Amino acid sequence: SQTIHQWPATLVQPVGSPLSLECTVEGTSNPNLYWYRQAAGRGLQLLFYSVGIGQISSEVPQNLSASRPQDRQFILSSKKLLLSDSGFYLCAWSDFRPNTEAFFGQGTRLTVV
Amino acid sequence: AQKVTQAQTEISVVEKEDVTLDCVYETRDTTYYLFWYKQPPSGELVFLIRRNSFDEQNEISGRYSWNFQKSTSSFNFTITASQVVDSAVYFCALSDTGRRALTFGSGTRLQVQP
Repeated sequence: SQTIHQWPATLVQPVGSPLSLECTVEGTSNPNLYWYRQAAGRGLQLLFYSVGIGQISSEVPQNLSASRPQDRQFILSSKKLLLSDSGFYLCAWSDFRPNTEAFFGQGTRLTVV
Repeated sequence: AQKVTQAQTEISVVEKEDVTLDCVYETRDTTYYLFWYKQPPSGELVFLIRRNSFDEQNEISGRYSWNFQKSTSSFNFTITASQVVDSAVYFCALSDTGRRALTFGSGTRLQVQP
């Protein structure tokens, strides 16, 4: 069966520090991968999605970047964190076929201080 | 462009009451899919259901039921005889050919009081 791992679960980082969140999927090949952010008390905002190695689409301009160095690995990064980067970050995967459900990791709660 | 509206920000009910969570969507496609997810306090989103635009039959799964009405662009979710464990944030989402990722509504927080 497929599983998705996301870490760390919580993170407190000072303003201006770098960020690296990692997500890996097991039990499937060529998945679509996604990074969402959920601000406190709000819905999910799509940040990035990827349909293959090295293929990254950005939904909104921001202080973050994403990379997909391997088929089942998706990394969210920042060179210098801002206070506004605080939030709950969720990685997700879906089958490569369109319009299939996405399955989510357990999320990373990031607090920038 | 796609859009999903969940007008109910928060609902509070007493255990054993029935509750309906509303979802209204907008899309220009004739083929699209609708989803519901549950987000318990732990934070992980749990997939509940997927329906395609060609299947308007209502679906029932235990205490959960979904009512899809194309005429009103709605995909409502009803929990019968609610329980405390149903307390969570529920998200409705849409997928169509115009976008590879799901578009989520803002969510409805359901609190079930004992």
